[in-house]
Amino acid sequence: DAKTTQPPSMDCAEGRAANLPCNHSTISGNEYVYWYRQIHSQGPQYIIHGLKNNETNEMASLIITEDRKSSTLILPHATLRDTAVYYCIVDSGSARQLTFGSGTQLTVLP
Amino acid sequence: SQTIHQWPATLVQPVGSPLSLECTVEGTSNPNLYWYRQAAGRGLQLLFYSVGIGQISSEVPQNLSASRPQDRQFILSSKKLLLSDSGFYLCAWSLAGVGNQPQHFGDGTRLSIL
Repeated sequence: DAKTTQPPSMDCAEGRAANLPCNHSTISGNEYVYWYRQIHSQGPQYIIHGLKNNETNEMASLIITEDRKSSTLILPHATLRDTAVYYCIVDSGSARQLTFGSGTQLTVLP
Repeated sequence: SQTIHQWPATLVQPVGSPLSLECTVEGTSNPNLYWYRQAAGRGLQLLFYSVGIGQISSEVPQNLSASRPQDRQFILSSKKLLLSDSGFYLCAWSLAGVGNQPQHFGDGTRLSIL
């Protein structure tokens, strides 16, 4: 699986958009970009995934660059409950193991 | 909608005692099922996965076993726990045979071995 690089931590003011970047410069053509988050002491929560088009759901938006070497997860109106570690993963679906890196600790400040 | 349940949420067991963790999924049929372990400060390690009743694949040699007695039930067991079995155990499911699908996790069981 391609590796991902994320900043270790970010802060965001409550009510503002949180933009979490991820670099995946060695991504293969059949690999999707997935985002999960993990709130302390809970299981990882799936957020969104995409291949090359931008995606939006009720939780977030995913913007993937045209060359697919990086992506940004956008939480449009961050709340205190969005404080969590956010993981960007690339996965082709052929490997059963999801490989989580160190992620980004997002802290939403009141 | 689909839901996944794991229990118990926390468990403290002595070394050498048996273990049984249960996971059930509702709202879908014939899901792929997974057991992961997350050690403190580390990533997820896939322990077992299953594509159907009675079909279990083990990813790493270990002191644990898994069973799938029903379509949406996945059990993690041990006959004798070791100190190294401590960790956060997570069950997950995904849709089977439908392209690239995300895995959805339960809330986990925090296991402490004394």
